[in-house]
Amino acid sequence: GAVVSQHPSWVICKSGTSVKIECRSLDFQATTMFWYRQFPKQSLMLMATSNEGSKATYEQGVEKDKFLINHASLTLSTLTVTSAHPEDSSFYICSASGGGHYEQYFGPGTRLTVT
Amino acid sequence: QQPVQSPQAVILREGEDAVINCSSSKALYSVHWYRQKHGEAPVFLMILLKGGEQKGHEKISASFNEKKQQSSLYLTASQLSYSGTYFCGTEEGGADGLTFGKGTHLIIQP
Repeated sequence: GAVVSQHPSWVICKSGTSVKIECRSLDFQATTMFWYRQFPKQSLMLMATSNEGSKATYEQGVEKDKFLINHASLTLSTLTVTSAHPEDSSFYICSASGGGHYEQYFGPGTRLTVT
Repeated sequence: QQPVQSPQAVILREGEDAVINCSSSKALYSVHWYRQKHGEAPVFLMILLKGGEQKGHEKISASFNEKKQQSSLYLTASQLSYSGTYFCGTEEGGADGLTFGKGTHLIIQP
């Protein structure tokens, strides 16, 4: 299967600061990347879909000014949580598809804790 | 709309079989199955596309009934490593993000 990495794997930040999470497809070109959020003991919720070179499409209820997504290349997408608050604490996971892969391959996730 | 998974949880002994179901009220383009272990990202198991199909992967197989918008995941002769939470993710159009069910917790005991 294809390999997707995320960085960092775990981050703790103070309320009001911004955090950037990177998602990379290591061995294929990801034309589409997806960002999900998962709260403890809950399912994954799609936040946004990003295609390389275009603006991300956000799901209803997800603030695009708070969760900035950039997909500048076929191997890298970033999610920036701006002015983070404790309620933004969650497990953020990206997935990628493309390069002959129709299925989505998930990164290892980033656990964000906002204090 | 979130697909409905059943059962919510199941406990099996090693070697027993399990079936996990996923149903949607909407017409689906594809159904994706993942297994997630605690604190880890979901691991892709298989994808089934509309048209109704069945797939197999070692002792794990799945079917998709397009008419009923239902998919089932079959785990045969379960192993301890099969423990985890199984999610189905559904897609209404091609290249969409996935809408996941609430998950089925599977515990395999020796």
